[in-house]
Amino acid sequence: GENVEQHPSTLSVQEGDSAVIKCTYSDSASNYFPWYKQELGKGPQLIIDIRSNVGEKKDQRIAVTLNKTAKHFSLHITETQPEDSAVYFCAAIRPGSARQLTFGSGTQLTVLP
Amino acid sequence: DTEVTQTPKHLVMGMTNKKSLKCEQHMGHRAMYWYKQKAKKPPELMFVYSYEKLSINESVPSRFSPECPNSSLLNLHLHALQPEDSALYLCASSQGTLAPLHFGNGTRLTVT
Repeated sequence: GENVEQHPSTLSVQEGDSAVIKCTYSDSASNYFPWYKQELGKGPQLIIDIRSNVGEKKDQRIAVTLNKTAKHFSLHITETQPEDSAVYFCAAIRPGSARQLTFGSGTQLTVLP
Repeated sequence: DTEVTQTPKHLVMGMTNKKSLKCEQHMGHRAMYWYKQKAKKPPELMFVYSYEKLSINESVPSRFSPECPNSSLLNLHLHALQPEDSALYLCASSQGTLAPLHFGNGTRLTVT
């Protein structure tokens, strides 16, 4: 089955700096890669996703890049703000997999004011 | 606010109690899910319903019993739970495979 590794497990940045979280996946058939943000006491919320026919996608301060050859994808957050502090999970989906997501282990991002 | 509503937000139950968790979505999604999440871990899939039929049971103990009364509702019936079952229970829905999952905010369950 699919295996997703996520690094780092914790990340602290100064407000206004950029943050990068990286994930690698094992199944070359996976073709959909969402990123979820989970704030304390809440469920995971989708913040951005990318499909395998696209190399990069951007939404305001958030961007995701995908390298299919290397089987890794990354989340980039620019101009970080304290409200970006949360746990971020990457995930991958293999076509035809009714089990849906294989999650990475999560990254606790702390933005220091 | 999330479009998937879960009740209750918090639940404390003894090992001999019977309780139910409820989930509701009105997005017209035909797939609904139960996940279990322990602290500092990613969600773990428990059950998948597709078109109101149970399609996946990830070898979950029988003390957890899911039910899908209609396309908008999903229940999780709990009986004779163990303290190690204490966790955040998340409901999610999606239009189908390769579609984003929409999560509720979960029920924080404590088994005493």
